[in-house]
Amino acid sequence: GAGVSQSPSNKVTEKGKDVELRCDPISGHTALYWYRQSLGQGLEFLIYFQGNSAPDKSGLPSDRFSAERTGGSVSTLTIQRTQQEDSAVYLCASSFGRQGNTIYFGEGSWLTVV
Amino acid sequence: ILNVEQSPQSLHVQEGDSTNFTCSFPSSNFYALHWYRWETAKSPEALFVMTLNGDEKKKGRISATLNTKEGYSYLYIKGSQPEDSATYLCVESLFSGGGADGLTFGKGTHLIIQP
Repeated sequence: GAGVSQSPSNKVTEKGKDVELRCDPISGHTALYWYRQSLGQGLEFLIYFQGNSAPDKSGLPSDRFSAERTGGSVSTLTIQRTQQEDSAVYLCASSFGRQGNTIYFGEGSWLTVV
Repeated sequence: ILNVEQSPQSLHVQEGDSTNFTCSFPSSNFYALHWYRWETAKSPEALFVMTLNGDEKKKGRISATLNTKEGYSYLYIKGSQPEDSATYLCVESLFSGGGADGLTFGKGTHLIIQP
């Protein structure tokens, strides 16, 4: 597609359930980022993929969070045993190459844990 | 300054008035400064990317300036309209990289234009 596509756009889940969020970046973009924004907070970095390099997972808040990127394209962010504090909008973004290039964002996946 | 800081956190402006807000950032290892406009339930939209000290960019009624020596950027909106209501994000890209390609996000300035 023309832009970064994320699914689902909205997800309500019960505490303790696992969720998967999907990101389809712009074709040809080597860099893919996951961020989240909780209510009233700024954007929080989660994980970064660049080409075939090992991902930068330094932002993942706990071992309940994991992400993978298959074939250098689609990425899935998985949250296991969700907690209420996981409620946030999860933004995926992609860019071509490194540093200074415009980052293109998806519309986000709005996660509510009840 | 160790982090990207934006001020004010929120701002209410009367329709037709002009306004501006600030992004402060660490100036060492600076590579680029991005401004994004984020409307609720939409993708953040790229406004400007600036790299050189003294850069000034303009897009319609919105403009931005960059001072890399003192580590700040201003975003100006002339003649505010209701459709300008959004969160404006400032993002710094560092030269030598680091986590996430050296990107650091500010927390945004939430702008509300009152008719």
